[in-house]
Amino acid sequence: ETGVTQSPTHLIKTRGQQVTLRCSSQSGHNTVSWYQQALGQGPQFIFQYYREEENGRGNFPPRFSGLQFPNYSSELNVNALELDDSALYLCASSSGLAGETDTQYFGPGTRLTVL
Amino acid sequence: AQSVTQLDSHVSVSEGTPVLLRCNYSSSYSPSLFWYVQHPNKGLQLLLKYTSAATLVKGINGFEAEFKKSETSFHLTKPSAHMSDAAEYFCVVSDQWDTGGFKTIFGAGTRLFVKA
Repeated sequence: ETGVTQSPTHLIKTRGQQVTLRCSSQSGHNTVSWYQQALGQGPQFIFQYYREEENGRGNFPPRFSGLQFPNYSSELNVNALELDDSALYLCASSSGLAGETDTQYFGPGTRLTVL
Repeated sequence: AQSVTQLDSHVSVSEGTPVLLRCNYSSSYSPSLFWYVQHPNKGLQLLLKYTSAATLVKGINGFEAEFKKSETSFHLTKPSAHMSDAAEYFCVVSDQWDTGGFKTIFGAGTRLFVKA
């Protein structure tokens, strides 16, 4: 059983650019959530995907968007990057099993730096 | 609206002494509660989860947490700290959306230091 993987590990972009981050969920998991963790803070919920549909969203602007694919892997896209978007982006997956739907397993994250 | 408050931003203990990391929560429903640990340059690891089966929850690495509804608390404890326990700890509450999905709120974190 493979865990949650994310790519790339690190990324450097400049203001105004666009970025795509990728996540492969744990085997058997159909729900993926994305989080932004700024330095010294707890992760902030961005949005969640369940069976290719957005299933909930936090307080992030529309320039943060996502996709989930039939194999349940996922992408996070951020347009018009701002300096404050510099953070660790975490992906988490969870299964659809009753009683376990909100138990999340996290990937190692992608460190995004916006210059 | 749900929220999580971790009462200490930093906790320092000596190796072999007890650990107490405090967490209070607010939720409109019957939430699930979690503790996660984050070691430097590593991903978040699940320590334990409370559902409703038992108020005392045992987790990995000797950690446990007690759910106290009257106090809206979910404090994390360990009888004897080990150097490898030094990390950032997050208390987490999870509530369901009306759509059937769930929203997860993280506390700000507590940094645990363990002195030799």
